[in-house]
Amino acid sequence: DVKVTQSSRYLVKRTGEKVFLECVQDMDHENMFWYRQDPGLGLRLIYFSYDVKMKEKGDIPEGYSVSREKKERFSLILESASTNQTSMYLCASLAGTRTGELFFGEGSRLTVL
Amino acid sequence: GQQVMQIPQYQHVQEGEDFTTYCNSSTTLSNIQWYKQRPGGHPVFLIQLVKSGEVKKQKRLTFQFGEAKKNSSLHITATQTTDVGTYFCADEVGTYKYIFGTGTRLKVLA
Repeated sequence: DVKVTQSSRYLVKRTGEKVFLECVQDMDHENMFWYRQDPGLGLRLIYFSYDVKMKEKGDIPEGYSVSREKKERFSLILESASTNQTSMYLCASLAGTRTGELFFGEGSRLTVL
Repeated sequence: GQQVMQIPQYQHVQEGEDFTTYCNSSTTLSNIQWYKQRPGGHPVFLIQLVKSGEVKKQKRLTFQFGEAKKNSSLHITATQTTDVGTYFCADEVGTYKYIFGTGTRLKVLA
């Protein structure tokens, strides 16, 4: 069964802290994504990666960076968390052989105080 | 950049009533996908539409892609309480790059 696992379901951090959100997939997918979800705005793409060490900016990359050192793991980093980064963060993966469905993790709800 | 808008933002229906959500774009859509997110859950893939005018059915759900590929719709016949959730459309705007719509939250009253 397909599985995308996000390391933390809930996090509370303080303004200025460095935050790591981890995502692991067990499907050997080439492509991985980070979205944030906010009420009324849907899902907005932050970054995606189509291969190890490769990354591309999405629509809202400001304030975020990513790391893909291994195929199965895609990390989202907030170098200095701010209150406007309080949100639900969703990781997803996609097989590279065809266009098709995104498999999402359960989400990480981040609150920045 | 491209924006994918969904209407309505919210919909409350009585159980047994029909429901439709619309996905509209200012530019031509490429491949439209539909996802369902249950309350407290994560988006789950429902279907993908590729061809202009395409219609696909899954039990009580009917998905349609507009002739001009500028819009898509999801119609649920005779809603049930299990249909509760937020429905998103998503367009493939670049290789492996998907842009999601704003979503329609459906509430079904028993």
